[in-house]
Amino acid sequence: GENVEQHPSTLSVQEGDSAVIKCTYSDSASNYFPWYKQELGKRPQLIIDIRSNVGEKKDQRIAVTLNKTAKHFSLHITETQPEDSAVYFCAAFNTGNQFYFGTGTSLTVIP
Amino acid sequence: GAVVSQHPSRVICKSGTSVKIECRSLDFQATTMFWYRQFPKKSLMLMATSNEGSKATYEQGVEKDKFLINHASLTLSTLTVTSAHPEDSSFYICSARVQSREQYFGPGTRLTVT
Repeated sequence: GENVEQHPSTLSVQEGDSAVIKCTYSDSASNYFPWYKQELGKRPQLIIDIRSNVGEKKDQRIAVTLNKTAKHFSLHITETQPEDSAVYFCAAFNTGNQFYFGTGTSLTVIP
Repeated sequence: GAVVSQHPSRVICKSGTSVKIECRSLDFQATTMFWYRQFPKKSLMLMATSNEGSKATYEQGVEKDKFLINHASLTLSTLTVTSAHPEDSSFYICSARVQSREQYFGPGTRLTVT
């Protein structure tokens, strides 16, 4: 099956700085990679995703990059704001029709 | 985006009893529904994948006789925790997937077994 690893587990940044979260996956056949933001006690919300035929995708302050050869993908948040504080999860969708999640990154943006 | 509801949001039950959790896609038909378990400050752990009209596919280590999943229609899946024990206390989240591969999560159910 798929194995998704995520780093770092915790991340603190000053407001306005950038935050980068990295994930690696093991199944080379995985072809869809979403990122979710989860606030305390709430459901995960999709914030951005990327498919295997694309190397980079950007949506305002959020961007995701994918390196299929190395089997890793990253989330980049620029100009961070306090409301960006949350737990972020990466995921990989594999050929077995299943999503596998990374271990999560707790992001704290310090005002 | 699509809306997924989950009921109940919180439930407390006594050890040995069974609890049923419902997951509904409100404005779309879900080809697949997933059930996850989440411990405090931990990631989502996939328990099973549920397709309408067929048996659920359970992940390794998940007891199918303890966590019964029924996917009765394209908009409803249920998870029944049978003979619950305190170690089953957790946050259970369902999600529903649309054809585009995006998945939408329910709000979760906090289960406490006393």
